Amino acid sequence: SQQGEEDPQALSIQEGENATMNCSYKTSINNLQWYRQNSGRGLVHLILIRSNEREKHSGRLRVTLDTSKKSSSLLITASRAADTASYFCATDRGTGNQFYFGTGTSLTVIP
Amino acid sequence: DTGVSQNPRHKITKRGQNVTFRCDPISEHNRLYWYRQTLGQGPEFLTYFQNEAQLEKSRLLSDRFSAERPKGSFSTLEIQRTEQGDSAMYLCASSFRGGSTDTQYFGPGTRLTVL
Repeated sequence: SQQGEEDPQALSIQEGENATMNCSYKTSINNLQWYRQNSGRGLVHLILIRSNEREKHSGRLRVTLDTSKKSSSLLITASRAADTASYFCATDRGTGNQFYFGTGTSLTVIP
Repeated sequence: DTGVSQNPRHKITKRGQNVTFRCDPISEHNRLYWYRQTLGQGPEFLTYFQNEAQLEKSRLLSDRFSAERPKGSFSTLEIQRTEQGDSAMYLCASSFRGGSTDTQYFGPGTRLTVL
């Protein structure tokens, strides 16, 4: 069963613009992770944020976590055509074992 | 570190046939996971191993599915008497339990098409 839900389901922006996608989840977590998936390929890990962290940066990525609202956001700054992919959030429901993925946001960056 | 590898990358089979997929995790990782992903959806958990022990199975894993990790290294996922509803991408991931994070690293997947 899916744990989370990404919003929006699809996003189309011009190269150079920022892209923001959101993830909501239902149960308590130890950590939340964001993954990228290019069409028909495996998932690439982007960033992990722990439940006691509120914000984390990695290069052009900025992730926030609000455990009171059970939500997270991923911001990609200065987007590039190569950022075109589906983005998924994944949570562990506090077990640290299996991950529960959302349905993903499909991002298209137009050159 | 060559990453997680999966074979084959694509498999086309006829309904009723058996298929087997292989996953080779990152060498020092003690946990191995199998997920299934259908078009337009996120991956759904099937099962995971810690070393050679299968610790958890999803109710998605019907009795036609069996997974093994005999020596705590590579793993196989077998589907018997395949059905058209089994068509999906099967993803394998590995992680190191005991490290500072629980990041799972994914392989490229095996795309199964059941005709």
